Amino acid sequence: AQSVTQLDSQVPVFEEAPVELRCNYSSSVSVYLFWYVQYPNQGLQLLLKYLSGSTLVKGINGFEAEFNKSQTSFHLRKPSVHISDTAEYFCAVSGSGSEKLVFGKGTKLTVNP
Amino acid sequence: GAVVSQHPSRVICKSGTSVKIECRSLDFQATTMFWYRQFPKQSLMLMATSNEGSKATYEQGVEKDKFLINHASLTLSTLTVTSAHPEDSSFYICSARVGTGNYNEQFFGPGTRLTVL
Repeated sequence: AQSVTQLDSQVPVFEEAPVELRCNYSSSVSVYLFWYVQYPNQGLQLLLKYLSGSTLVKGINGFEAEFNKSQTSFHLRKPSVHISDTAEYFCAVSGSGSEKLVFGKGTKLTVNP
Repeated sequence: GAVVSQHPSRVICKSGTSVKIECRSLDFQATTMFWYRQFPKQSLMLMATSNEGSKATYEQGVEKDKFLINHASLTLSTLTVTSAHPEDSSFYICSARVGTGNYNEQFFGPGTRLTVL
């Protein structure tokens, strides 16, 4: 079984500052990793995914994440955030061969002017 | 990209009534659809997995008689909350999976906010 831990429930930052949202996972099998963003009262939008290959993954809206197998982490980063990045961010894992996604509890990113 | 719609987006009903939520994949055929429930400020919890033409597989703790799932076609799945009660108030999100094999990409609908009075 897989599990996901998002260490920070809330992350406040100022506009144009860099941000890192942390995600750690546990799994006994190979995994696929995902970051989703959810704006208020909306569904989830995929930001980026790691399936295999390069451990640095670039996604939409200037976000990127790095898969670190030894530390079982998949932290999300953006060098300069905008007000519009204010949203809930979910890290998710899927075990190889499984069709299910397991989500972390989410991190609320608030970008202040 | 793949688009998933849900209808209605918001519903308010009286306790004891049943509510049906539709989930459609608009521009692709979904091999599998998933139903999630999200309480305020919490994560998504998988309720059930449904494949077209077969019975849904429910997660542990989810009452199959209360949350009826029908997957009539490769583009439509419905979730019916039977005899709804205030504790069923929640945000329900569906997703549709594209393709088969190890890679699991799910496309999410916009969600349905259910309020039971």
